[in-house]
Amino acid sequence: KQEVTQIPAALSVPEGENLVLNCSFTDSAIYNLQWFRQDPGKGLTSLLLIQSSQREQTSGRLNASLDKSSGRSTLYIAASQPGDSATYLCAVTPNTGNQFYFGTGTSLTVIP
Amino acid sequence: SAVISQKPSRDICQRGTSLTIQCQVDSQVTMMFWYRQQPGQSLTLIATANQGSEATYESGFVIDKFPISRPNLTFSTLTVSNLSPEDSSIYLCSVEEAAGTEAFFGQGTRLTVV
Repeated sequence: KQEVTQIPAALSVPEGENLVLNCSFTDSAIYNLQWFRQDPGKGLTSLLLIQSSQREQTSGRLNASLDKSSGRSTLYIAASQPGDSATYLCAVTPNTGNQFYFGTGTSLTVIP
Repeated sequence: SAVISQKPSRDICQRGTSLTIQCQVDSQVTMMFWYRQQPGQSLTLIATANQGSEATYESGFVIDKFPISRPNLTFSTLTVSNLSPEDSSIYLCSVEEAAGTEAFFGQGTRLTVV
């Protein structure tokens, strides 16, 4: 069974700092990987989707990379802002089946 | 991107009752899913809602406890039956326009069972 782990579990940084969130998965046979943001008590907002054939995706201040063979993905946030404070989740879809396997999440706090 | 309306956004229910959650999408989608997020935990898939047929449940989830309907390609309901305090969670609807494409989520339903 696919297991997805995110490190660190919590992160607190001053405003303006660049930061990296990590996601690792045990089975490299994935179809795609998606990063989400979740605000407290809310649903998930899709940030970036990386197909298994891709190495990275960028959207504004966000850059996500994928190294499928080593079972790792990173989410890079440039010039962090207090509005970036949220929990960030990564999820992988296996080659077989449609289920997303979610990571444990990283709770980010950006201090003004 | 698909826009999802999930209702209710929150509810407080008595033990032993049931709650039905609705998920409405603004476009036809192939895949619809229901997830549970227990306090302090990540998301766990309950089932895949299949249009016109019985839902496909994940291990640990059964139809009697979590009946699901999906009458068409834009709408689904999840009922959480015979509520107990352990059912207190956030329940989320998710859709994919086609298998393996970007997933979109509703805003979630926060259920508290007292």
